[in-house]
Amino acid sequence: AQSVTQLDSQVPVFEEAPVELRCNYSSSVSVYLFWYVQYPNQGLQLLLKYLSGSTLVKGINGFEAEFNKSQTSFHLRKPSVHISDTAEYFCAVSDDREGKSTFGDGTTLTVKP
Amino acid sequence: DVKVTQSSRYLVKRTGEKVFLECVQDMDHENMFWYRQDPGLGLRLIYFSYDVKMKEKGDIPEGYSVSREKKERFSLILESASTNQTSMYLCASKYQGLGGNTIYFGEGSWLTVV
Repeated sequence: AQSVTQLDSQVPVFEEAPVELRCNYSSSVSVYLFWYVQYPNQGLQLLLKYLSGSTLVKGINGFEAEFNKSQTSFHLRKPSVHISDTAEYFCAVSDDREGKSTFGDGTTLTVKP
Repeated sequence: DVKVTQSSRYLVKRTGEKVFLECVQDMDHENMFWYRQDPGLGLRLIYFSYDVKMKEKGDIPEGYSVSREKKERFSLILESASTNQTSMYLCASKYQGLGGNTIYFGEGSWLTVV
């Protein structure tokens, strides 16, 4: 069975500061890893995903994430955040055995001026 | 662009009413999903479907049923709405096959049961 743990439920940060949102996962097979973003009153949209190859994945809006197999982590980072990055961020894991994904509980990123 | 459309953004229903939440996708995706989103609980899978007339229970199916008569449409049914079903409901779809396929979400339906 898969599971995802997002280690921080809320992350407040000032504008232009760097940010890291942490995600750990567990699975007995090879996995695919995702970060989705949800802006207020909207559905989720894909930020980035790791399928294979380079462990550093770049996504939209200047975000990137690093897959670390030994630590079973997939942390999301951005070197300088904007007010518009205020949103909820979800880490997710899936594999080739099942058609469904498992989501973390979400991290609310609040960027303050 | 992939479009997943949920028919109602905001609904208010009375306890005991039968509620239908409709979802349509335009990308010929085989897999469709209904999630429930509550603060602090993330996304919880209610039901999913691999194909027309195929459905499987997710993590929290109690009190819900689904219908998939056409490939593009996946409906969530609350047979007798209760106040603990007040929540945000998200429909999603993706291509079958590799687990690395992206999931596409609708905008969500806010249901309040009074």
